[in-house]
Amino acid sequence: NAGVMQNPRHLVRRRGQEARLRCSPMKGHSHVYWYRQLPEEGLKFMVYLQKENIIDESGMPKERFSAEFPKEGPSILRIQQVVRGDSAAYFCASSRGQANTGELFFGEGSRLTVL
Amino acid sequence: AQKVTQAQTEISVVEKEDVTLDCVYETRDTTYYLFWYKQPPSGELVFLIRRNSFDEQNEISGRYSWNFQKSTSSFNFTITASQVVDSAVYFCALRPFGRGGSYIPTFGRGTSLIVHP
Repeated sequence: NAGVMQNPRHLVRRRGQEARLRCSPMKGHSHVYWYRQLPEEGLKFMVYLQKENIIDESGMPKERFSAEFPKEGPSILRIQQVVRGDSAAYFCASSRGQANTGELFFGEGSRLTVL
Repeated sequence: AQKVTQAQTEISVVEKEDVTLDCVYETRDTTYYLFWYKQPPSGELVFLIRRNSFDEQNEISGRYSWNFQKSTSSFNFTITASQVVDSAVYFCALRPFGRGGSYIPTFGRGTSLIVHP
């Protein structure tokens, strides 16, 4: 299966700990998007990355959140010093390029619970 | 900036009923894609359809059909003869493309469809 792979599927952290969420895009895809889904809400854009490059991080909180997509390996969304409000489902999506046919292919999500 | 509005938070129907999910969008871009995604209870997001702003032809795929009307900035989704397996949250999304576009897809808040047996 060459789909978008996210891990872990479920992650439990205590307040103040760090959470690292990983995303491997579909084969042949070089663009990655991270979205956050809070209960009863839609998908909120966080960050858009290309290999070794952050294209748009306008949806990322200014503090504690960071993302990277290195030349080798998966994209990582990192949340430092987690708080209860960070509990959410985090979805990663990938696409071939910026101006391609348009659809994003999503992973199954990583569900973060902060105790 | 763009905006996608799905005014229906939750719809409940009985199996075999037809149901239409509404989607209204706002954008200043002249070229864009519109999408529908399905999120079943298992949580993953499944791509259903893409339309581009040049093509207002309606589309039918089995029990699913989509009505794109640029004049009213709407992209509605109809399920004919609904089934229990259609129960899910459905998201409408817009993604500009072309020079100067942001390329970032914007999603609506989703419509939760519950189909009762």
